[in-house]
Amino acid sequence: AQRVTQPEKLLSVFKGAPVELKCNYSYSGSPELFWYVQYSRQRLQLLLRHISRESIKGFTADLNKGETSFHLKKPFAQEEDSAMYYCAPTTVNKFYFGSGTKLNVKP
Amino acid sequence: NAGVMQNPRHLVRRRGQEARLRCSPMKGHSHVYWYRQLPEEGLKFMVYLQKENIIDESGMPKERFSAEFPKEGPSILRIQQVVRGDSAAYFCASSLRGGSMNTEAFFGQGTRLTVV
Repeated sequence: AQRVTQPEKLLSVFKGAPVELKCNYSYSGSPELFWYVQYSRQRLQLLLRHISRESIKGFTADLNKGETSFHLKKPFAQEEDSAMYYCAPTTVNKFYFGSGTKLNVKP
Repeated sequence: NAGVMQNPRHLVRRRGQEARLRCSPMKGHSHVYWYRQLPEEGLKFMVYLQKENIIDESGMPKERFSAEFPKEGPSILRIQQVVRGDSAAYFCASSLRGGSMNTEAFFGQGTRLTVV
């Protein structure tokens, strides 16, 4: 069965600290991987996609096929990074979403 | 482009009534997805539709729930004879192409259904 796991419901860090949001997936095929973010009172939106190998707002995500992980990282967290983050493996017919991790960056 | 529009934003229904949730995708998008989010939980896939076709409804309960995406007009998620357990936020997303590499899903702001 297809499955995506974000083990941390809540992650609290201080401003300037590194942050890593974990995502593990279990799929029969080779999904494409995305991270979506939902800031307070805003709609869910794309943060970054693996295929683009991009860094958005200082965030990067490395795909580890051996561990089937796609963790999201940022070396120095900012208060404006506080939001809900969803890992989203994508196959031909659907976007799956993890249960989400709430990131709280404290001043 | 106004983005994905969902209405109503909030819907209150008594047990046994019907709930109709509407989603207008972004202009030019012919792929629509519905998700349900229960309190303190993540997004759960319900159904994927293209114009006039249900492509994948594996996440939708077999009874009381139905979805359509007609040739003209918005996509509708219909819940008949609602029960308290249906209370949740329902999100719609649309994409230009079906879920695949380099395809982004655009989300609406959701409809919060409360069953009393």
